[in-house]
Amino acid sequence: AQRVTQPEKLLSVFKGAPVELKCNYSYSGSPELFWYVQYSRQRLQLLLRHISRESIKGFTADLNKGETSFHLKKPFAQEEDSAMYYCALASGANSKLTFGKGITLSVRP
Amino acid sequence: NAGVMQNPRHLVRRRGQEARLRCSPMKGHSHVYWYRQLPEEGLKFMVYLQKENIIDESGMPKERFSAEFPKEGPSILRIQQVVRGDSAAYFCASSPGGGNYGYTFGSGTRLTVV
Repeated sequence: AQRVTQPEKLLSVFKGAPVELKCNYSYSGSPELFWYVQYSRQRLQLLLRHISRESIKGFTADLNKGETSFHLKKPFAQEEDSAMYYCALASGANSKLTFGKGITLSVRP
Repeated sequence: NAGVMQNPRHLVRRRGQEARLRCSPMKGHSHVYWYRQLPEEGLKFMVYLQKENIIDESGMPKERFSAEFPKEGPSILRIQQVVRGDSAAYFCASSPGGGNYGYTFGSGTRLTVV
């Protein structure tokens, strides 16, 4: 069965500091991975997906199949990045998502 | 495009009552997914529907829970005889053609059972 692990619940950094939000997965097939973000009082939004290899709001994530990881990174955090971040894996013909428990990123001024 | 609309945003039910949660997908989206988020937990898949069909209900509890997505109107998640443990946030997401595109989520319905 597939599993997504986000080992930390909270990451607090100062503005301008680098950020790395960890995500590890377990899946026997070829994974399709996503990062979703939920800002305060807003709905869950797709941040990026590994197949598109894009950078959104300065965030990037590289799929490392050897380490089964899909860590989210940003070189210089901004206060507006403060939010809840979820890593998710799409699996099976129906592409249902398996989510990690999420991590709260807090960026202090 | 109004996005995925869920209502109500908040729902309070007494134990034993029925809860009905509604989800209108984005225009042009015919795939609907329901997820549940318990406190301190990530979102857990419940059911995947296309118009008039349940495609995958492997995440649905065996009793009291049902879902539908009729030809006309919103998708409905129904919980009969609610219990305290049903208190959670229920999220609906829609997609134009399966989850590989990444879903668009609604704002969720927060169900509280008292």
